[in-house]
Amino acid sequence: NAGVTQTPKFRILKIGQSMTLQCTQDMNHNYMYWYRQDPGMGLKLIYYSVGAGITDKGEVPNGYNVSRSTTEDFPLRLELAAPSQTSVYFCASSYGQGPNEKLFFGSGTQLSVL
Amino acid sequence: GNSVTQMEGPVTLSEEAFLTINCTYTATGYPSLFWYVQYPGEGLQLLLKATKADDKGSNKGFEATYRKETTSFHLEKGSVQVSDSAVYFCALSGPVADKLIFGTGTRLQVFP
Repeated sequence: NAGVTQTPKFRILKIGQSMTLQCTQDMNHNYMYWYRQDPGMGLKLIYYSVGAGITDKGEVPNGYNVSRSTTEDFPLRLELAAPSQTSVYFCASSYGQGPNEKLFFGSGTQLSVL
Repeated sequence: GNSVTQMEGPVTLSEEAFLTINCTYTATGYPSLFWYVQYPGEGLQLLLKATKADDKGSNKGFEATYRKETTSFHLEKGSVQVSDSAVYFCALSGPVADKLIFGTGTRLQVFP
């Protein structure tokens, strides 16, 4: 049972480069999320999706794009990488949405923009 | 707005010591409260939760009680093990579509 899988685990980008962080889940969850965690800070929601074809902005969406063409996949795209995007990125999924829903997380992608 | 404040780490303990990690919150309404744990090299996973005042969440020897009067949800364990070494995140359900709001995380290091 793979759960939520993120790739890559580590990446170094130069300023202005683009990349896609991949996230896939095999639990048939409707809801998927992207968070970022900066040093000494809590996780902040970037984007989320309530099902295939539907995405919405979280707290800190600027500089990112997402798509949800299938239930399983929820890639996060950085078009013009900036040093402010140096962070650890977590993808998560849940079956439903509500105060008691359990989130399942991937192991994270550590991104450095130099 | 809603927020969570956790004690700064790292918390360093010897095996079998008593653990407390403090968490306080600010919220409108009646949020649900959670503790998530991240073991080295893994993603966050739900440790325990409480959905209303005076509820006690418990799992794997860890406990936390939802205290509305002190707006707290402190994590406790009577006797920690080396395998409990991890980062612990307090979280609450937010006001916008019930999105989770996380604290900064507290690293626990347990030595034999």
